[in-house]
Amino acid sequence: GDSVTQMEGPVTLSEEAFLTINCTYTATGYPSLFWYVQYPGEGLQLLLKATKADDKGSNKGFEATYRKETTSFHLEKGSVQVSDSAVYFCALSEIAGNNRKLIWGLGTSLAVNP
Amino acid sequence: DAGVTQSPTHLIKTRGQQVTLRCSPKSGHDTVSWYQQALGQGPQFIFQYYEEEERQRGNFPDRFSGHQFPNYSSELNVNALLLGDSALYLCASSFRGLAGRNEQFFGPGTRLTVL
Repeated sequence: GDSVTQMEGPVTLSEEAFLTINCTYTATGYPSLFWYVQYPGEGLQLLLKATKADDKGSNKGFEATYRKETTSFHLEKGSVQVSDSAVYFCALSEIAGNNRKLIWGLGTSLAVNP
Repeated sequence: DAGVTQSPTHLIKTRGQQVTLRCSPKSGHDTVSWYQQALGQGPQFIFQYYEEEERQRGNFPDRFSGHQFPNYSSELNVNALLLGDSALYLCASSFRGLAGRNEQFFGPGTRLTVL
């Protein structure tokens, strides 16, 4: 079945450093891809999404490009802030007929130090 | 718009008991999905409800059951609780249209602790 593989954490960076969190997927068909963020003690929030190959999702300085040839959706940010400290989840939307569910990676914890 | 709401926020039960968790979807959404997130793990899909019927189910035993009401709100029931059922239970809502390309919006979750 479909699956998502994320780089393991925790990732610790200094403020203003460059961030990359790798995500690769296995899917039959053409899933939508998502990055969700979970701040401490909170629920999941959609960070960005891409629905087809070569789409770039972006939000709050974060970007990810849907790469069908490498089955990847890596998350990047040019300059992280302390407030970006959270757990980041890569997910794909598996579609079976009219039903769809999200398949998740294990999450990558990011800690940004001032 | 209140977004997705869940109740209760926290719950403590003992082994063998039964629990009911509740979810109200975002306004305009008609589909509710439930996920279980164990500590330090990614969410695991439990099931999805649309038009008051279970449409898809993940790899969870029959002890996990649900319901969707005409107003699209939903309940998750877990019977015969086990210690391993301790987790954050997340509800997500979405709109079934748009050819499956729209995202799911999540509630804050219910933290269930089984002692």
